Amino acid sequence: NAGVTQTPKFRILKIGQSMTLQCTQDMNHNYMYWYRQDPGMGLKLIYYSVGAGITDKGEVPNGYNVSRSTTEDFPLRLELAAPSQTSVYFCASSYGAESYEQYFGPGTRLTVT
Amino acid sequence: GQNIDQPTEMTATEGAIVQINCTYQTSGFNGLFWYQQHAGEAPTFLSYNVLDGLEEKGRFSSFLSRSKGYSYLLLKELQMKDSASYLCAVMDSNYQLIWGAGTKLIIKP
Repeated sequence: NAGVTQTPKFRILKIGQSMTLQCTQDMNHNYMYWYRQDPGMGLKLIYYSVGAGITDKGEVPNGYNVSRSTTEDFPLRLELAAPSQTSVYFCASSYGAESYEQYFGPGTRLTVT
Repeated sequence: GQNIDQPTEMTATEGAIVQINCTYQTSGFNGLFWYQQHAGEAPTFLSYNVLDGLEEKGRFSSFLSRSKGYSYLLLKELQMKDSASYLCAVMDSNYQLIWGAGTKLIIKP
């Protein structure tokens, strides 16, 4: 099992560019999440999904979009990148809402200049 | 609002014991989690408490008091590899995790 994988590991974007952060899990988890982590701050939930075809906003969804066409994949789309989106992005998955543990991918470090 | 508080940084000595505290105010409670995060890496699960009391797992223990909105993570026999950030998170009434900013633990020889 690879667990949760994310690509790319690092990316530098210019203001106004767009990109997609990829996330794949091979544990057949229903729930998937996107977080961002800024220095000195707690993880903030951007979007989450409870199953294929179902997504919902988290605490900080503005400037992002997601889709969930399969159980395995949960890409995060950044449109019109802004410096405020400079952060480390983590994808995570879990069996269900009440599941104890969220499994995290290795993260994508994004810089917008 | 929802709030998780934990100390920003703590220092301890190799072989010693350290207690990292976490206080919380959230809309609903469905459990409290502790995660470990080494610098530049992803968080990894350490413990889960949903009932009051102490849960022990090897060198790590976690305590919860729901009436006080309080938890702590106890690390015994500290090793250099325990140098990391420790994240406290509470699952709210919507089953979403609310995260503290993390406590950076520095272990000195």
